[in-house]
Amino acid sequence: SQQGEEDPQALSIQEGENATMNCSYKTSINNLQWYRQNSGRGLVHLILIRSNEREKHSGRLRVTLDTSKKSSSLLITASRAADTASYFCATGRNAGNMLTFGGGTRLMVKP
Amino acid sequence: DTGVSQDPRHKITKRGQNVTFRCDPISEHNRLYWYRQTLGQGPEFLTYFQNEAQLEKSRLLSDRFSAERPKGSFSTLEIQRTEQGDSAMYLCASSSRTGSSYNSPLHFGNGTRLTVT
Repeated sequence: SQQGEEDPQALSIQEGENATMNCSYKTSINNLQWYRQNSGRGLVHLILIRSNEREKHSGRLRVTLDTSKKSSSLLITASRAADTASYFCATGRNAGNMLTFGGGTRLMVKP
Repeated sequence: DTGVSQDPRHKITKRGQNVTFRCDPISEHNRLYWYRQTLGQGPEFLTYFQNEAQLEKSRLLSDRFSAERPKGSFSTLEIQRTEQGDSAMYLCASSSRTGSSYNSPLHFGNGTRLTVT
């Protein structure tokens, strides 16, 4: 079963616009990660946020985490056509076991 | 760092046949994971190794599925008596164990796409 649910399932925007994806999860976590997947390829790690952090930045990416609402968001600013991909959140309970992935948001950025 | 490699990239088999996939993780990584992903869904956890020890298995991993990681290096995933429902992308990932209590980021291979006809 999948722990996280991403919203929206699909998002289409114009190049230069910002894209916001949300992730909700069910059980307690100690970290949440976001991954990107291009069609037919494996997933690539983007960013990790710990349960005691509220916001984290990496380049054009901004991730927030609200553990009271069991939710996270990924913001991609000034999107590019190359950002077209599926984005997944993944939650971890501790370092000793696996990550549980959500169903993903399919982002299309039109040039 | 040559990344995680998986072989084959594609496999078409007939129902009832056995198939085996191979994963070569990043050499210094001691943790290795297998996930399954169907079209339009996120990856679902199958099993996880730390070195050669298989530490966790999902209930998704029926008795037709077996995974090994001899000598703690490469891993194989075998599916016996394949069914059409086994058609999916099988993803392997590796990570290094750190002193942190947080999950290390996973490095994924490009997967093996299995089609059972």
